[in-house]
Amino acid sequence: GAVVSQHPSRVICKSGTSVKIECRSLDFQATTMFWYRQFPKQSLMLMATSNEGSKATYEQGVEKDKFLINHASLTLSTLTVTSAHPEDSSFYICSASTGQINQPQHFGDGTRLSIL
Amino acid sequence: GENVEQHPSTLSVQEGDSAVIKCTYSDSASNYFPWYKQELGKRPQLIIDIRSNVGEKKDQRIAVTLNKTAKHFSLHITETQPEDSAVYFCAAANTGTASKLTFGTGTRLQVTL
Repeated sequence: GAVVSQHPSRVICKSGTSVKIECRSLDFQATTMFWYRQFPKQSLMLMATSNEGSKATYEQGVEKDKFLINHASLTLSTLTVTSAHPEDSSFYICSASTGQINQPQHFGDGTRLSIL
Repeated sequence: GENVEQHPSTLSVQEGDSAVIKCTYSDSASNYFPWYKQELGKRPQLIIDIRSNVGEKKDQRIAVTLNKTAKHFSLHITETQPEDSAVYFCAAANTGTASKLTFGTGTRLQVTL
């Protein structure tokens, strides 16, 4: 149980392109989803927290107009990297939580984004 | 906000030896401390976690200890095996505030034959 599916697993695109990443909880309802970014050989850095039906909460230094997050249902959150540039190349990972006390986060497989 | 420090950044042990990774956190409100194992290009996998009402937890070869007063927690792996080689991350969260995780900087563990 507690499977989180993330698509696509890898994206290679030209600079200026917008890229959408999907995160789905397959067998549970995720009231909260988290989006992380991980640069090579570095830790996971939280970008934003999204709650179903409300606006995402962004961490300091993360541009909300560049990283658009939508959490329209209890099983789906999307991250759109708008007008991507080479410096946005990274490993993006989502996680989902039921929001209940003592329930851990469940991570997706991640998306390797490469901007040429 | 929370700040989690992790040491060492790299650790090399011989197969069968023990490995210890240490983390400190800054926010006394944090009450949940998971440890993740991440292989190259893959998702972090939860290997063990501990909550602030417990001082120690063990699961086969893996154990975690927590000292709330000193705000530090440690991961202990005994009888290491080559398949234990990976990057390990500690994290801290306050389950009363959406449970967002703050990760440590990671430890690259290499188990040699």
